[in-house]
Amino acid sequence: ILNVEQSPQSLHVQEGDSTNFTCSFPSSNFYALHWYRWETAKSPEALFVMTLNGDEKKKGRISATLNTKEGYSYLYIKGSQPEDSATYLCASMQGAQKLVFGQGTRLTINP
Amino acid sequence: EPEVTQTPSHQVTQMGQEVILRCVPISNHLYFYWYRQILGQKVEFLVSFYNNEISEKSEIFDDQFSVERPDGSNFTLKIRSTKLEDSAMYFCASNKDGQNYGYTFGSGTRLTVV
Repeated sequence: ILNVEQSPQSLHVQEGDSTNFTCSFPSSNFYALHWYRWETAKSPEALFVMTLNGDEKKKGRISATLNTKEGYSYLYIKGSQPEDSATYLCASMQGAQKLVFGQGTRLTINP
Repeated sequence: EPEVTQTPSHQVTQMGQEVILRCVPISNHLYFYWYRQILGQKVEFLVSFYNNEISEKSEIFDDQFSVERPDGSNFTLKIRSTKLEDSAMYFCASNKDGQNYGYTFGSGTRLTVV
């Protein structure tokens, strides 16, 4: 298993500020990169599945980019709101059926 | 919105006992998975299941573990003889095509082995 790493581990952001965090993954034998949002006491919710180098995806105020050659993805949140508080997980698909997760970035939005 | 349902939400069991964790995936999904998260660690892959057979499994998924789709709607994970280190949150997930869509996760079963 090749490691997926996320940074930072936790982040506190003022409401209204924008923020971003990083996922690094093995660039060899790349299949896909997933982002999930995981709120406390709920199940992880899929945000994006990205497959192509240079991919950019957007969902409301959240967007993500992908660089498969160097093995990193950024997740951006614009104008953070309290409801954005959650743990954000990235996962690299290694093999056709297996997601390898990072440890997550725990985001807290301060009102 | 369709959900993946897991039962029970919490299970406490004695070491050495068998446990069955149950999941009802989304009805038109074809790929099914079990993942787990030991407290303080990363979410880790256990097994994937497609077309009524295991398609991939991790080294964690040894002979003590088995999966079954007994009736076309339920998807179960059995641990034959639980160990203390099996204590974790177990997540079931399903997916439409295995590649292009994000997974839909259940809310998990917290298993505590005492």
